[in-house]
Amino acid sequence: AQKVTQAQTEISVVEKEDVTLDCVYETRDTTYYLFWYKQPPSGELVFLIRRNSFDEQNEISGRYSWNFQKSTSSFNFTITASQVVDSAVYFCALRWGTYKYIFGTGTRLKVLA
Amino acid sequence: GAVVSQHPSWVICKSGTSVKIECRSLDFQATTMFWYRQFPKQSLMLMATSNEGSKATYEQGVEKDKFLINHASLTLSTLTVTSAHPEDSSFYICSARDHRDGRFYEQYFGPGTRLTVT
Repeated sequence: AQKVTQAQTEISVVEKEDVTLDCVYETRDTTYYLFWYKQPPSGELVFLIRRNSFDEQNEISGRYSWNFQKSTSSFNFTITASQVVDSAVYFCALRWGTYKYIFGTGTRLKVLA
Repeated sequence: GAVVSQHPSWVICKSGTSVKIECRSLDFQATTMFWYRQFPKQSLMLMATSNEGSKATYEQGVEKDKFLINHASLTLSTLTVTSAHPEDSSFYICSARDHRDGRFYEQYFGPGTRLTVT
């Protein structure tokens, strides 16, 4: 069975601090995709990144970076120099062969000014 | 780009009435659309997979007679919540699968519809 675990329910940081959101996944499929989405208070899901199971290369995009490690089944997300506008709920998601998504329970990030 | 819209963005209805939510892919054709439900401060849960021209496939525990899904065209899927009750109040999100890219079949999420049943 597929599973995504986001152990951090809520994180509060002060602006300009770095913050890492954890994601651990489970799947028996060898081909799968991992995602991070941001959900601001408006509710709309904002796509941040997609990684496939064959690409463990970590990525940096502006203040965002991702660390994908198959050995530990983790796909962590780091925001550098956090800003108040980063406050939102962040979801890690897994997609496998059926094209279905399973989402983690989300991590609510509060960035305080 | 690939845009998915939902209408309405929010709706309030009385208990016992039915409400229809539309999901449209605006600039691509979607043979498959998905409907999710998100309760306050909870995760998104897949309700059903909607396939154009055929019956929807519902996830375990989702009442198909209560949540009617119709995918009549390649750009439109509708979710009708029949005889709504307060416990059906939730945020409903659809996603549409873009089958133009044979390598990946990217999915795009709509902005969601907030349903409140009084």
